[in-house]
Amino acid sequence: GQQLNQSPQSMFIQEGEDVSMNCTSSSIFNTWLWYKQDPGEGPVLLIALYKAGELTSNGRLTAQFGITRKDSFLNISASIPSDVGIYFCAGHFRTGANSKLTFGKGITLSVRP
Amino acid sequence: DAMVIQNPRYQVTQFGKPVTLSCSQTLNHNVMYWYQQKSSQAPKLLFHYYDKDFNNEADTPDNFQSRRPNTSFCFLDIRSPGLGDAAMYLCATSRDLWSGTDTQYFGPGTRLTVL
Repeated sequence: GQQLNQSPQSMFIQEGEDVSMNCTSSSIFNTWLWYKQDPGEGPVLLIALYKAGELTSNGRLTAQFGITRKDSFLNISASIPSDVGIYFCAGHFRTGANSKLTFGKGITLSVRP
Repeated sequence: DAMVIQNPRYQVTQFGKPVTLSCSQTLNHNVMYWYQQKSSQAPKLLFHYYDKDFNNEADTPDNFQSRRPNTSFCFLDIRSPGLGDAAMYLCATSRDLWSGTDTQYFGPGTRLTVL
């Protein structure tokens, strides 16, 4: 089955720094999504990418859908304490009428004030 | 605001005692999903409804059932909860299943504790 690889499991940065997270796969995905999950809450959609090569921004966040459709990255610029959380990449793979969302294992981001 | 709502946010049940978790949505989306998420893991899809059509994942235990009485509501029934069923249960919706419409929006989750 499709798998998404996110590493490292944890990242530690200083407030104000930029951070980049990658998500890779050996399979092609049709859509890439980035979610953030705070402790005890559900994942919140940050950015959705629908076309290979697409580059999309949402405030301090920028994400790109890789040209090969097998990878995506998320950049956070000028990090702030509330950026702390778990960042999941997720990809849609469609076969006919079926659409299945596969999640990466997530990266826990810590921001030191 | 249009949203996905889950009640209760925290649920405690006893080993073997049936429990029902609730999800409602004001997005008027066709698809509703139930995920199980254990600590430090990614969400795991249990099943989804496309309108009234129920789609079970192959590895979802029979202990888990679901009902969707109308577009807005979907329930997760755990018939005989075991200690291993303690987890966060997430409801999600998507407008449809086609490209560009299958982006999923999650509720805040229900944390289930089994004593």
